[in-house]
Amino acid sequence: NAGVMQNPRHLVRRRGQEARLRCSPMKGHSHVYWYRQLPEEGLKFMVYLQKENIIDESGMPKERFSAEFPKEGPSILRIQQVVRGDSAAYFCASSPPGGSDSYEQYFGPGTRLTVT
Amino acid sequence: AQKITQTQPGMFVQEKEAVTLDCTYDTSDPSYGLFWYKQPSSGEMIFLIYQGSYDQQNATEGRYSLNFQKARKSANLVISASQLGDSAMYFCAIWTGFQKLVFGTGTRLLVSP
Repeated sequence: NAGVMQNPRHLVRRRGQEARLRCSPMKGHSHVYWYRQLPEEGLKFMVYLQKENIIDESGMPKERFSAEFPKEGPSILRIQQVVRGDSAAYFCASSPPGGSDSYEQYFGPGTRLTVT
Repeated sequence: AQKITQTQPGMFVQEKEAVTLDCTYDTSDPSYGLFWYKQPSSGEMIFLIYQGSYDQQNATEGRYSLNFQKARKSANLVISASQLGDSAMYFCAIWTGFQKLVFGTGTRLLVSP
């Protein structure tokens, strides 16, 4: 049973370019979460999605960031016009369906974004 | 709002000794869960242990145990018989049913031979 997959593992972008980060949840999982870890800090929640729905985006910056989890395919975290402050590790986690009892979140290996 | 506080930025321990990593939390929700994750230098997040707020007994997983003191709102991680491979960042996190985890700032553990 494959775990949560993220690609790419490392991504380098120049200021002003777009970054697309992909997350394939574990088989059977329908909930996806994105977290950001700035250097020397803990993980901060960004967004929680279910298939075709954004459930909670309270941690997403208001501009340039968007996320989707389509009916088919991976979840995508998109950062437009990247700036140096976007350099961080972006982690995806997934959990099985089950409402508020589904506390288990399985993390992917993360994508390290470097903005030059 | 939920909050996790980890007051130890760094801890040192000798191999084979036990070490306690501190975690205090704040939440007004009666139902919640507490997690510990390990993040080695390679960067992945490794789940270690989970404690539910209604669990009567402290959680244990191999060499890891969670010292849960509900009245004090603390959930300290105890690692027994430390190994060199335990050197890593350790994060405490809380989940309250709103689906997101709230993490602390972490403690860097260094195990020396």
